[in-house]
Amino acid sequence: AQKVTQAQTEISVVEKEDVTLDCVYETRDTTYYLFWYKQPPSGELVFLIRRNSFDEQNEISGRYSWNFQKSTSSFNFTITASQVVDSAVYFCALSELGGATNKLIFGTGTLLAVQP
Amino acid sequence: SAVISQKPSRDICQRGTSLTIQCQVDSQVTMMFWYRQQPGQSLTLIATANQGSEATYESGFVIDKFPISRPNLTFSTLTVSNMSPEDSSIYLCSVPVGTGGYNEQFFGPGTRLTVL
Repeated sequence: AQKVTQAQTEISVVEKEDVTLDCVYETRDTTYYLFWYKQPPSGELVFLIRRNSFDEQNEISGRYSWNFQKSTSSFNFTITASQVVDSAVYFCALSELGGATNKLIFGTGTLLAVQP
Repeated sequence: SAVISQKPSRDICQRGTSLTIQCQVDSQVTMMFWYRQQPGQSLTLIATANQGSEATYESGFVIDKFPISRPNLTFSTLTVSNMSPEDSSIYLCSVPVGTGGYNEQFFGPGTRLTVL
């Protein structure tokens, strides 16, 4: 069965520190998609990134970077030089059946608190 | 991308009553999804709503409790029936945007429901 595990329930850092959020997934599908979403205190879910299972190239977008490793079934998210505005709950998610059904299976989320 | 709106944004309801949540998308989409996020928890898929057919419910969710309508390609409603305090959650609709299974999934702002 498909499953997403975010072992870190809460992380607290001081502004400008780097922080990595872990995500481990389980799936029998050979084609699948992985996502990261940000949920600030306002509650809205903000899409951050999508990665398909055939593309293990790491990605960088500004202060955000993602490390996808199929060998360890991990899709970790790093924020460099964290800022207070990064404080939010971050969800990792997996899409079943190669994304064809578009159902998302979410991890339990990691609450990131960035202190000034 | 897709712009999604939900009504109401929040409500406080009495036990035993029902609430209908509306989801409006600014473009035509085949699939719409309804998720529930209980306090401090992750998101759980309730059902998939396709236009012109019955909604498909996930395990643990039934049509009598969460009837869904999908009258056209830009609109859907979710009703939470005979509410109890355990139904207090954020309810979110989402739509996939993209082609060939390479989809981003966008979420509405959510409806915060409190049942007394």
